[in-house]
Amino acid sequence: QVQLQESGPGLVKPSETLSLTCTVSGGSVSSGSYYWSWIRQPPGKGLEWIGYIYYSGSTNYNPSLKSRVTISVDTSKNQFSLKLSSVTAADTAVYYCARDYQYCSGGSCQLIFDYWGQGTLVTVSS
Amino acid sequence: DIQMTQSPSSLSASVGDRVTITCRASQSISSYLNWYQQKPGKAPKLLIYAASSLQSGVPSRFSGSGSGTDFTLTISSLQPEDFATYYCQQSYSTSITFGQGTRLEIK
Repeated sequence: QVQLQESGPGLVKPSETLSLTCTVSGGSVSSGSYYWSWIRQPPGKGLEWIGYIYYSGSTNYNPSLKSRVTISVDTSKNQFSLKLSSVTAADTAVYYCARDYQYCSGGSCQLIFDYWGQGTLVTVSS
Repeated sequence: DIQMTQSPSSLSASVGDRVTITCRASQSISSYLNWYQQKPGKAPKLLIYAASSLQSGVPSRFSGSGSGTDFTLTISSLQPEDFATYYCQQSYSTSITFGQGTRLEIK
């Protein structure tokens, strides 16, 4: 059974960089069938996809966050990480890491978030 | 970005009711549409993928349909554990987007 666990500071000051790590167990971030995503949810609001990474290091980011986001992978530790720079109060949210299963049918593929971490609340405040 | 619009935003229903939630995409997304259920304080859970395929372990009272721009999630007979918030999500575009959510409440 695949499990994902987010870790990192729960409080970040405005203008600083938010850093989170997702540790994967029961599966490998090096598996070619999966991508690995970060998704966030402001309190009381909906879900926002932040970006994903492939084991090779290839990334894809939400255009609205692209200038501030870096996602990296450490295959030796079976982890992937998120850095979000220049944070403001609007970045306060529960941050989830998730596995993106690549479902292919009829010659085309789509990504499905099939496993999620429990989420970690990050508050941006001085 | 492809905009995903769910309706209704909230819904009150009773145990045993048949419920339908709609998700509309701002452009055609073929069948690249997934549905998730989220309970308070928990991570979302995958219910339906590729518009109509039931995720393993999900009760058969959940079903999905649609293609192109219009999709539906149907719960055939509501159970107490089904009261939650439901989200649709598209992965047709390289910029993945979610609907705003539909909160399903007990009447």
